[in-house]
Amino acid sequence: DQQVKQNSPSLSVQEGRISILNCDYTNSMFDYFLWYKKYPAEGPTFLISISSIKDKNEDGRFTVFLNKSAKHLSLHIVPSQPGDSAVYFCAASGAGGTSYGKLTFGQGTILTVHP
Amino acid sequence: NAGVTQTPKFQVLKTGQSMTLQCAQDMNHNSMYWYRQDPGMGLRLIYYSASEGTTDKGEVPNGYNVSRLNKREFSLRLESAAPSQTSVYFCASIPGRWAPEAFFGQGTRLTVV
Repeated sequence: DQQVKQNSPSLSVQEGRISILNCDYTNSMFDYFLWYKKYPAEGPTFLISISSIKDKNEDGRFTVFLNKSAKHLSLHIVPSQPGDSAVYFCAASGAGGTSYGKLTFGQGTILTVHP
Repeated sequence: NAGVTQTPKFQVLKTGQSMTLQCAQDMNHNSMYWYRQDPGMGLRLIYYSASEGTTDKGEVPNGYNVSRLNKREFSLRLESAAPSQTSVYFCASIPGRWAPEAFFGQGTRLTVV
């Protein structure tokens, strides 16, 4: 059973418009959520994160929203740029105690930004 | 500052052969991880080491062993490779469980024929 799901395998947007990537989770013990970006033949790169005590976190063009009651988070990229074209992974981590930073990943969404 | 370094980058093995994937980090991080990525399945945790001297199983540990050689190095061993272990393997590290924003290596693409 997939505890973190990204139901859209791909997303295509025009340069300058907003990209919205979605992620759902089922495990209520998750309390920290992260987004990673991955280019071909490279490792994932950390993008932005959010703690469960917040509902929004911004970093430049990237904003992550968390809706705990719906167990849903989203990543907004505004404005989108061609260099943002990559695979985006949503990941979740449990409470500090015994989780030891272990991450549970979604399947990934391929974002393509057209010039 | 190299971050997380994995060797080799590519490897082809025959079924039944053994090999060790090497990982080293130079960020003085406490915790290290091995993940595998398969098409359509995201990354799944194989083994992790919360701190030097400890190792624990993750979600998909069968067929693998690990060694935390020292604080910098964490190796993954396939004793008898199987085609189902064809995957891309990523090593990662974090400073500690208070900061789970993991740093990843470039990956090892392994094919078992």
